[in-house]
Amino acid sequence: SAVISQKPSRDICQRGTSLTIQCQVDSQVTMMFWYRQQPGQSLTLIATANQGSEATYESGFVIDKFPISRPNLTFSTLTVSNMSPEDSSIYLCSVAGQGKVSGNNEQFFGPGTRLTVL
Amino acid sequence: SQQGEEDPQALSIQEGENATMNCSYKTSINNLQWYRQNSGRGLVHLILIRSNEREKHSGRLRVTLDTSKKSSSLLITASRAADTASYFCATVPMDSSYKLIFGSGTRLLVRP
Repeated sequence: SAVISQKPSRDICQRGTSLTIQCQVDSQVTMMFWYRQQPGQSLTLIATANQGSEATYESGFVIDKFPISRPNLTFSTLTVSNMSPEDSSIYLCSVAGQGKVSGNNEQFFGPGTRLTVL
Repeated sequence: SQQGEEDPQALSIQEGENATMNCSYKTSINNLQWYRQNSGRGLVHLILIRSNEREKHSGRLRVTLDTSKKSSSLLITASRAADTASYFCATVPMDSSYKLIFGSGTRLLVRP
């Protein structure tokens, strides 16, 4: 299974600022995803990070608020822009497809970044 | 948006007892997966069951899938204090090759 790291592991930020979260995988993967987990709740998919092209965003999430980069097959960043207290969440990246991607792929998750916005 | 609902929302049992968690979903699926999350950390994949399978085992875990009722259950036998965690089901819809839609989760507490 892939080993995934995220930086930072946690941060406390001021309203109106932006934070960039990094996700690094120890092997090339086909698919990378970003999720948000609000306090006490389940995970919601923000977007799929596409290598070499714009990310694919889910309903309710926009590029201006959550710009995503994926310069290669092992790395991605998620920026939370112009933050407000409502953005306080755990942000997790996940990967799938160390080989051919199919509907039967499990996803491997990073440890998450716990963000608190004051 | 979340597709699945899980019950119970919280479950407290004694070490050695069995724990059963249920998951319901709304649309046709490719497969259903169960994940565990300890104290707000990253998720750990437990087991994947395909839409044409009815039951699957992995160690102390037993998963069932009833596509006619759009429901699944996760049974943990002979529970241990280390099993204390939140458990989530997640479905891959039939019209998607990879997208995971998570249920609301069950918080399991195993008392020593």
